[in-house]
Amino acid sequence: DSGVTQTPKHLITATGQRVTLRCSPRSGDLSVYWYQQSLDQGLQFLIQYYNGEERAKGNILERFSAQQFPDLHSELNLSSLELGDSALYFCASSLHPGVNTGELFFGEGSRLTVL
Amino acid sequence: KNEVEQSPQNLTAQEGEFITINCSYSVGISALHWLQQHPGGGIVSLFMLSSGKKKHGRLIATINIQEKHSSLHITASHPRDSAVYICAVRFTGGSEKLVFGKGTKLTVNP
Repeated sequence: DSGVTQTPKHLITATGQRVTLRCSPRSGDLSVYWYQQSLDQGLQFLIQYYNGEERAKGNILERFSAQQFPDLHSELNLSSLELGDSALYFCASSLHPGVNTGELFFGEGSRLTVL
Repeated sequence: KNEVEQSPQNLTAQEGEFITINCSYSVGISALHWLQQHPGGGIVSLFMLSSGKKKHGRLIATINIQEKHSSLHITASHPRDSAVYICAVRFTGGSEKLVFGKGTKLTVNP
């Protein structure tokens, strides 16, 4: 058990809908990362938050947004869903970003299926 | 272009064999991660390296900064080692973004 909790584990929805994925980081970890894993693209970095502030942005679509709350949990909002958004979405946390303290702890992932 | 290449793409071994998975990257990095993803989908971080070598049980990870290459070794492989092993790097430049290899699917037969 990594200590990172993601909900829901599975989600099936229709095109055009909006969903929210939730991540609770490991106790004490300040950094939260979101990743998308699809069959054709593999794992891709979406976005990172550190102590409530956006720190780095990757290949995140404009239809997607995220935030980190004062209690350090994070939510990833996906809107106007398309079939191609079907993927596993992982959250990871670390204590601090940086070379020596940036060990990552992954959640179990949220599997999104868009029909 | 910041790229990460893994080889082989697929690897089948007999129980007890010594396994090596390779990762090469294109430019300088600040850190390299080795991850394990089991068939159920969950990802576990095995190692984070910026230089040298790390060992944990039967797993050994090495990195050669000059050659821009890292290897993950598994000694005395076991069927429970069957998983996808993914290399991910943080390129120098200050970004926290990780760039992932496509993974190596390892199957260890009894």
